[in-house]
Amino acid sequence: KQEVTQIPAALSVPEGENLVLNCSFTDSAIYNLQWFRQDPGKGLTSLLLIQSSQREQTSGRLNASLDKSSGRSTLYIAASQPGDSATYLCAVYNQGGKLIFGQGTELSVKP
Amino acid sequence: DTAVSQTPKYLVTQMGNDKSIKCEQNLGHDTMYWYKQDSKKFLKIMFSYNNKELIINETVPNRFSPKSPDKAHLNLHINSLELGDSAVYFCASSSHGLAGPTDTQYFGPGTRLTVL
Repeated sequence: KQEVTQIPAALSVPEGENLVLNCSFTDSAIYNLQWFRQDPGKGLTSLLLIQSSQREQTSGRLNASLDKSSGRSTLYIAASQPGDSATYLCAVYNQGGKLIFGQGTELSVKP
Repeated sequence: DTAVSQTPKYLVTQMGNDKSIKCEQNLGHDTMYWYKQDSKKFLKIMFSYNNKELIINETVPNRFSPKSPDKAHLNLHINSLELGDSAVYFCASSSHGLAGPTDTQYFGPGTRLTVL
């Protein structure tokens, strides 16, 4: 059974810091891995999608990596800003046709 | 605007009542989903429909009945509501190829259900 774990559960950093969010999964038979952002009281917004054959994806200040063999992904946020404050969710799309989510990392960027 | 929309945004009701949540997507996707996010913010899939056909039913009580009248709509009807049904329910949609998903899932804004 696929399980997705995110560490840390919460993170508070001063503005301008670079930071890394971690995600691990137990079953490497995945189609892709996705990182989402959820703002309080809102839906999820897709940030990056990494196909199983890829190693990383970049979008602006965000870089996500995927190491399928070790069951790990990281989301790197450069030069963090208060507007980056949100919950970040990692999810893997497994070959059973389901998107399995981690419990998220709640990020707070202080001005 | 192209998006996944849900109605209502908030739903407060008494135990034992029957309620429905509606979802529509105008992204041209062929697959739609319902997710439940509990009080600990854990998001878990409930159902998935592809071209109006149920493909995932994730051990959800049969008080929950999804209905897909067409590819662009997936509604969720809940009978005999219980306190434990209180949660945020998210609808999502995506495209699928023969070898699996070809795109990310796009989520609606959520429906916060409170059962009193």
